[in-house]
Amino acid sequence: GEEVAQTPKHLVRGEGQKAKLYCAPIKGHSYVFWYQQVLKNEFKFLISFQNENVFDETGMPKERFSAKCLPNSPCSLEIQATKLEDSAVYFCASSQTYGTGGSGEQFFGPGTRLTVL
Amino acid sequence: KQEVTQIPAALSVPEGENLVLNCSFTDSAIYNLQWFRQDPGKGLTSLLLIQSSQREQTSGRLNASLDKSSGRSTLYIAASQPGDSATYLCASGGHSGAGSYQLTFGKGTKLSVIP
Repeated sequence: GEEVAQTPKHLVRGEGQKAKLYCAPIKGHSYVFWYQQVLKNEFKFLISFQNENVFDETGMPKERFSAKCLPNSPCSLEIQATKLEDSAVYFCASSQTYGTGGSGEQFFGPGTRLTVL
Repeated sequence: KQEVTQIPAALSVPEGENLVLNCSFTDSAIYNLQWFRQDPGKGLTSLLLIQSSQREQTSGRLNASLDKSSGRSTLYIAASQPGDSATYLCASGGHSGAGSYQLTFGKGTKLSVIP
């Protein structure tokens, strides 16, 4: 598609439950990024992919967070055993080229708001 | 570690005024700088991307400049309109700690254009 799509729009989970978020990048974009927005405008980088390969996962709390981008499927971000502090808006972005070439404009989806009660 | 600062945090101007939003970053070794707008409850809309080799980019009433050596970028909005009311975020694109590429965001400037 022409836009990054994210589902669901809102997700409510009790503490300790699992949460799974989905992202369909723009068609033809090879790079996918996940960001977490907490406390209004604090963006934190989580993970990046080139196609189905993880590029950089240094932002991921690995004990509970995992992500995949499989061929012909939406990318997913999964949180096992959610905690209150995971409440945030999770954004997915895609780009056609990698930013190290100077271009690599990232296009963002509308986000998934996760509320952990 | 890259830090991006945006000043002011909030700005209120009457319609028709020209305005400048400021962004500064601590590490000048960036590949690019991207400006976004975010409307309440919405995602980010990319406005302009300036590559590190460029000095400025223009799109309609928007003009963004980049001075890598001084670690500054500005977004100039001409003839502001109420529809420009939003939060404007700048993000520097550079190396992460793992050596790959990622965006580092400022906290944004919330702009209100009063009719």
